[in-house]
Amino acid sequence: AQSVTQLDSHVSVSEGTPVLLRCNYSSSYSPSLFWYVQHPNKGLQLLLKYTSAATLVKGINGFEAEFKKSETSFHLTKPSAHMSDAAEYFCVVSPFEGYQKVTFGTGTKLQVIP
Amino acid sequence: EPEVTQTPSHQVTQMGQEVILRCVPISNHLYFYWYRQILGQKVEFLVSFYNNEISEKSEIFDDQFSVERPDGSNFTLKIRSTKLEDSAMYFCASSETSGSTDTQYFGPGTRLTVL
Repeated sequence: AQSVTQLDSHVSVSEGTPVLLRCNYSSSYSPSLFWYVQHPNKGLQLLLKYTSAATLVKGINGFEAEFKKSETSFHLTKPSAHMSDAAEYFCVVSPFEGYQKVTFGTGTKLQVIP
Repeated sequence: EPEVTQTPSHQVTQMGQEVILRCVPISNHLYFYWYRQILGQKVEFLVSFYNNEISEKSEIFDDQFSVERPDGSNFTLKIRSTKLEDSAMYFCASSETSGSTDTQYFGPGTRLTVL
């Protein structure tokens, strides 16, 4: 079985300050992990993914995430928030080969204050 | 950059009516998916489709739902007799392979409102 928990439903940061969006997962296998972003009235855009290569993954728009197996975490960070980062962010887990269903977290709404 | 497209962007229907949601996956992708997101809830997997048949489906995907690839480009989700609780955003996705490392690319969604 697999699951993903996003620890914060809402995060509010000031423009120019760091962003931390937390995600913990559980999986019976060695999972792949993804972060997607959803801007208002838009689809889901892939930010980055972890697939058992480097544990620190760099994505688009300055975001990165670190896979920590010991902590079963895959937190998303960005050094300096921009107003355009305001959106909802989803952590997604995909189990090992041959199983197509991915599991979404409940999402974290990021608010960026000018 | 290739992208998944979905039509319509918003569909309003009466309870009991049939609706068809349309998706055009990325052209070299072989695996197709439907997800839904009820307002305020998480995105939920409905079904995956490969080689003209369903490869996996969730408990949500009951007999009132069906999927089809009627031609070489479209992938459709049909809801036979809509219920109020079918109101949601429906996302189509596609991927090149089914491996867990492969990325699913999502369309912009169709917002279905059942009255």
